[in-house]
Amino acid sequence: SQTIHQWPATLVQPVGSPLSLECTVEGTSNPNLYWYRQAAGRGLQLLFYSVGIGQISSEVPQNLSASRPQDRQFILSSKKLLLSDSGFYLCAWSVRDYEQFFGPGTRLTVL
Amino acid sequence: GQSLEQPSEVTAVEGAIVQINCTYQTSGFYGLSWYQQHDGGAPTFLSYNALDGLEETGRFSSFLSRSDSYGYLLLQELQMKDSASYFCAVRDSGAGSYQLTFGKGTKLSVIP
Repeated sequence: SQTIHQWPATLVQPVGSPLSLECTVEGTSNPNLYWYRQAAGRGLQLLFYSVGIGQISSEVPQNLSASRPQDRQFILSSKKLLLSDSGFYLCAWSVRDYEQFFGPGTRLTVL
Repeated sequence: GQSLEQPSEVTAVEGAIVQINCTYQTSGFYGLSWYQQHDGGAPTFLSYNALDGLEETGRFSSFLSRSDSYGYLLLQELQMKDSASYFCAVRDSGAGSYQLTFGKGTKLSVIP
């Protein structure tokens, strides 16, 4: 069966510090991978998606970046966090893009 | 661009039926998905409609009318555990076939 891992579960970072969130998927090959951000009480905003190793598409201009160094690994990064980067970050994978499977999420607080 | 409208909150009684509506504006529409998210948790996939009509999965059903750009999620025999946020999401070819655009969600509260 397929599983998706995200870590850390929670993170508190000062403004201006770097960020690295990691997501890995097991039990499937060549999945589409996604990073979403969810503000409190709001919907999901697609940040990045990837259809293969090294292929990243960005949906929202921001100070975040993503990389896919391996087939089942997706990394979200920032060089300098802003207060507005606080939120719930969710990684997801899919084979059929209308059915996405989400990881447990990382709750990021930037102070 | 794409836009989706769904009610922000709905309250219903345990054992009753509730319908959560979703209207959308998009180009190159492929289909409508529904997701459930409990507080603090991750969204989970419920259903997908690509064609007009009703899809039933246990207590949950989802309906789509492509001509009306409208769909709904129907929850029957409500249970307390159904209290959660429900998101509709459009699969839109205009944005690339690999993406979903999510609505802002409907918070369902089931009361005894």
